[in-house]
Amino acid sequence: DTGVSQNPRHKITKRGQNVTFRCDPISEHNRLYWYRQTLGQGPEFLTYFQNEAQLEKSRLLSDRFSAERPKGSFSTLEIQRTEQGDSAMYLCASSTHLTENTEAFFGQGTRLTVV
Amino acid sequence: GENVEQHPSTLSVQEGDSAVIKCTYSDSASNYFPWYKQELGKRPQLIIDIRSNVGEKKDQRIAVTLNKTAKHFSLHITETQPEDSAVYFCAAPSMDTGRRALTFGSGTRLQVQP
Repeated sequence: DTGVSQNPRHKITKRGQNVTFRCDPISEHNRLYWYRQTLGQGPEFLTYFQNEAQLEKSRLLSDRFSAERPKGSFSTLEIQRTEQGDSAMYLCASSTHLTENTEAFFGQGTRLTVV
Repeated sequence: GENVEQHPSTLSVQEGDSAVIKCTYSDSASNYFPWYKQELGKRPQLIIDIRSNVGEKKDQRIAVTLNKTAKHFSLHITETQPEDSAVYFCAAPSMDTGRRALTFGSGTRLQVQP
């Protein structure tokens, strides 16, 4: 499968614990995005990388959230001291870097449940 | 930042009928408008997109129209089939991200009755 891969697919954690998710984008894609999706809503932008540089971060993003893309390939999203409101589907997407926007390919997502 | 509004939130049609979903956006400089389809439990997948230099684009039973003056764009599905049942999202580049990431609408749940 040469698509965007996310792990784990599901994560149940107790409130206050830290969690980390991984995203492997399509190999030739320079752009990598993290989105969050709650039930009945569209994906909400969290952060964006171009190669290894984190270029944008949503103003809505709590400082408990951090993301990395150390070698410009895979990325990790960490949530510290999880809260019940963090329960959502976390989607990763990637696209090629051109001078204009192109199709973003989404992964299957990691469904987080905080109990 | 970019504000994308989508209507209706739910749409039920009979198989073979047409379905139309509409979105409005706020950033007049936006130049790329994709539509994604998300089936239950699956990832969003691009079905069609349009750039601001054209007013309409078609791909078999799916078409998208863009009115830059009014800042709205619409998805048209003709001859609907049960497998078209899904949630559809429109999107537009987000000013908050230098237009590198997308702002999505809240989605339209389309149900095609056989």
